[in-house]
Amino acid sequence: ETGVTQSPTHLIKTRGQQVTLRCSSQSGHNTVSWYQQALGQGPQFIFQYYREEENGRGNFPPRFSGLQFPNYSSELNVNALELDDSALYLCASSLGADTGEQYFGPGTRLTVT
Amino acid sequence: GESVGLHLPTLSVQEGDNSIINCAYSNSASDYFIWYKQESGKGPQFIIDIRSNMDKRQGQRVTVLLNKTVKHLSLQIAATQPGDSAVYFCAENIGTGFQKLVFGTGTRLLVSP
Repeated sequence: ETGVTQSPTHLIKTRGQQVTLRCSSQSGHNTVSWYQQALGQGPQFIFQYYREEENGRGNFPPRFSGLQFPNYSSELNVNALELDDSALYLCASSLGADTGEQYFGPGTRLTVT
Repeated sequence: GESVGLHLPTLSVQEGDNSIINCAYSNSASDYFIWYKQESGKGPQFIIDIRSNMDKRQGQRVTVLLNKTVKHLSLQIAATQPGDSAVYFCAENIGTGFQKLVFGTGTRLLVSP
């Protein structure tokens, strides 16, 4: 059984640019949730994708968007990057949108300069 | 590896001691709670969960206690080992129809040999 994987591991972008982060869910899991973790803080929920549709969203602006593909992998896109977007971006997969354990990937460290 | 938490509450114990990590949650309607362990440079790792219709649940070397009256959650680790050193987060689900996990601020556990 393959765990949750994310790519890239690290990324450096300039303010105003756009970025795409990728996540492959654990085998058999149909739900992916994305979180932002600033240094020294707990993860903050961005949104969840279930069966290729956004199923719930946290307090993040529309420049944070996502996709989920038929194989349940997912992308997080962030437009017009700001310095405060620098963080560890985590995805978590689960079986079911509102039940089941969420298993986290190792994260992508995004630095915006 | 990167530092997960720079200014977190810290619990220091000796190897073999029992550890208790506490957490206060915010939403009295939350129905699902989880404890995660996060090591430096890694994503959160699921430890144990509990639903609101229970007040205690045991796993291997870990026990979670839920007190809904005072909105308090605790994680007990028996016979703590150096490999247990990490940052521990509690999370509550505040979503309806989807899992929206709200994480606490985290506690750093340091285990001395």
